[in-house]
Amino acid sequence: DSGVTQTPKHLITATGQRVTLRCSPRSGDLSVYWYQQSLDQGLQFLIQYYNGEERAKGNILERFSAQQFPDLHSELNLSSLELGDSALYFCASSETGGPGELFFGEGSRLTVL
Amino acid sequence: AQRVTQPEKLLSVFKGAPVELKCNYSYSGSPELFWYVQYSRQRLQLLLRHISRESIKGFTADLNKGETSFHLKKPFAQEEDSAMYYCALDQAGTALIFGKGTTLSVSS
Repeated sequence: DSGVTQTPKHLITATGQRVTLRCSPRSGDLSVYWYQQSLDQGLQFLIQYYNGEERAKGNILERFSAQQFPDLHSELNLSSLELGDSALYFCASSETGGPGELFFGEGSRLTVL
Repeated sequence: AQRVTQPEKLLSVFKGAPVELKCNYSYSGSPELFWYVQYSRQRLQLLLRHISRESIKGFTADLNKGETSFHLKKPFAQEEDSAMYYCALDQAGTALIFGKGTTLSVSS
């Protein structure tokens, strides 16, 4: 499958812990976007990387960080987790630096207990 | 601030009825708008974008700058149209800002 892949699909952890979510973009796509979807909040844009560089920042908490590696995969690190961080985290990719058409992964569902 | 508003959480219609999913935006520049759709057990995917001015699966959307709206319309709903629909605004050529989404339920 050459689409956007995200791991893990599901993750359950405790408050105060740290987790890493991973995303591999579509082959050839240079941009990676992270979105958070929590109950009643819709899709909240967190951060975008283009060819390894941070390009745009949204409502990303200081406890969260991300990076894009030379092979273009990206990781989203969530630390000092709180109950409110429970959400579905989506990764999307696009061919260029502008969004144009975004291709989404299936999401990683994080549950913080 | 840029914002996308979808006032309806749920829209229920009968098969064959017209559908209009509402979307309003707030943006100071020249907007570029999209509709994305998520069918059951599928990924979120692009349905249409306003600059292409095309009809996809019978859906159309017209940008009304005066009313700052980009409503999605279809004259005759089909059961397979049941899905979650998101309106999205291009934020200055970087990321997309999404509305909270509207669930469309089409019943026979």
